[in-house]
Amino acid sequence: AQKVTQAQTEISVVEKEDVTLDCVYETRDTTYYLFWYKQPPSGELVFLIRRNSFDEQNEISGRYSWNFQKSTSSFNFTITASQVVDSAVYFCALSEAGTGNQFYFGTGTSLTVIP
Amino acid sequence: GAVVSQHPSRVICKSGTSVKIECRSLDFQATTMFWYRQFPKQSLMLMATSNEGSKATYEQGVEKDKFLINHASLTLSTLTVTSAHPEDSSFYICSARGGGNNQPQHFGDGTRLSIL
Repeated sequence: AQKVTQAQTEISVVEKEDVTLDCVYETRDTTYYLFWYKQPPSGELVFLIRRNSFDEQNEISGRYSWNFQKSTSSFNFTITASQVVDSAVYFCALSEAGTGNQFYFGTGTSLTVIP
Repeated sequence: GAVVSQHPSRVICKSGTSVKIECRSLDFQATTMFWYRQFPKQSLMLMATSNEGSKATYEQGVEKDKFLINHASLTLSTLTVTSAHPEDSSFYICSARGGGNNQPQHFGDGTRLSIL
């Protein structure tokens, strides 16, 4: 079973629009970590955020914000006032304390911001 | 901080050639390094996990004799694709992590391997 689901395969928005990327995870561990990474067309993966399972406080970093809700097993990512440079594939990932090093990536959401 | 350097960024070579890819953590000690493979428009597929000084742990379906991994120091891991064939063409990306699973993996820039 897929541990991390990113149901949106591709999203296109017009510049300056807000966009939310969904991430739903599945785990039986009580201690786990959630991550978001950005992969621009050049290929490298850029770390954006890490969240542990005990901290449900939402986080804002500039135009980026994350909404972590354990009740719905979701860790959604919102970009406010999107820019062309935000165009990339975004991956959500889960790391479980119970499975050691294992990192589970979602299938990614390809975001295109149209100027 | 947390910079991972991967080299080379692109390789084009003939079938049957062995290709070595290096992954270095430049400003931290990577107790664990990971190797992933990514096909176009797909997610990252974990190939193997290596801890410094230990043998790598390969994921199911990954041939350990085909993809040799060495993690000789806390800052360097190498992946050697032995006797590469066209079906091995892919984007290979490494990551490094210092500390436990609560720490993020920091990724290299990837290596695009094309076997003719």
